[in-house]
Amino acid sequence: NAGVTQTPKFRVLKTGQSMTLLCAQDMNHEYMYWYRQDPGMGLRLIHYSVGEGTTAKGEVPDGYNVSRLKKQNFLLGLESAAPSQTSVYFCASSDAVPPYEQYFGPGTRLTVT
Amino acid sequence: RKEVEQDPGPFNVPEGATVAFNCTYSNSASQSFFWYRQDCRKEPKLLMSVYSSGNEDGRFTAQLNRASQYISLLIRDSKLSDSATYLCVVINMEYGNKLVFGAGTILRVKS
Repeated sequence: NAGVTQTPKFRVLKTGQSMTLLCAQDMNHEYMYWYRQDPGMGLRLIHYSVGEGTTAKGEVPDGYNVSRLKKQNFLLGLESAAPSQTSVYFCASSDAVPPYEQYFGPGTRLTVT
Repeated sequence: RKEVEQDPGPFNVPEGATVAFNCTYSNSASQSFFWYRQDCRKEPKLLMSVYSSGNEDGRFTAQLNRASQYISLLIRDSKLSDSATYLCVVINMEYGNKLVFGAGTILRVKS
């Protein structure tokens, strides 16, 4: 039981390049989330999904897109990376019933130069 | 005003000390409450849920006061391994049960 996994663990992009971050969970959770964490700030929600085939915007969605084609996977895409997207990205998943506690993946450290 | 506020610390305490962290939240409709622990450059990990009746897990005790919109975490007999950032977290039902994170309180336990 791996829990929540993320690939890649590290990535360096040049401005304007694109990439996709993959999140996978094996806990059969309905809900999945993408967060970013910047120094001195709390985690901020980028996008989330309440089920296979559904996605919705969080607090800071601009510059990102997501897809949830399979229940166990949640992909985060950057179409044209910008230096402001340098951050640590965490994926999380949770049940659809209270208390909705979320379990996190190990994170992806992205640097955009 | 931030939705979840915590004292950033750092709290520097000797091994064996008792230390308490507090947290306030602004959304009275918040329904679920947690303490997460985050080690340097690692993912947040659930430490414990927080219930109105208060709950204890070994050396850790969490309390919730809904009337004052206040959450606390008490750590007894601190260990070196307790050094971490402690995140106060509430559920915001607006974004599909999004977790709203405080910025965290840094704890450093010294020998």
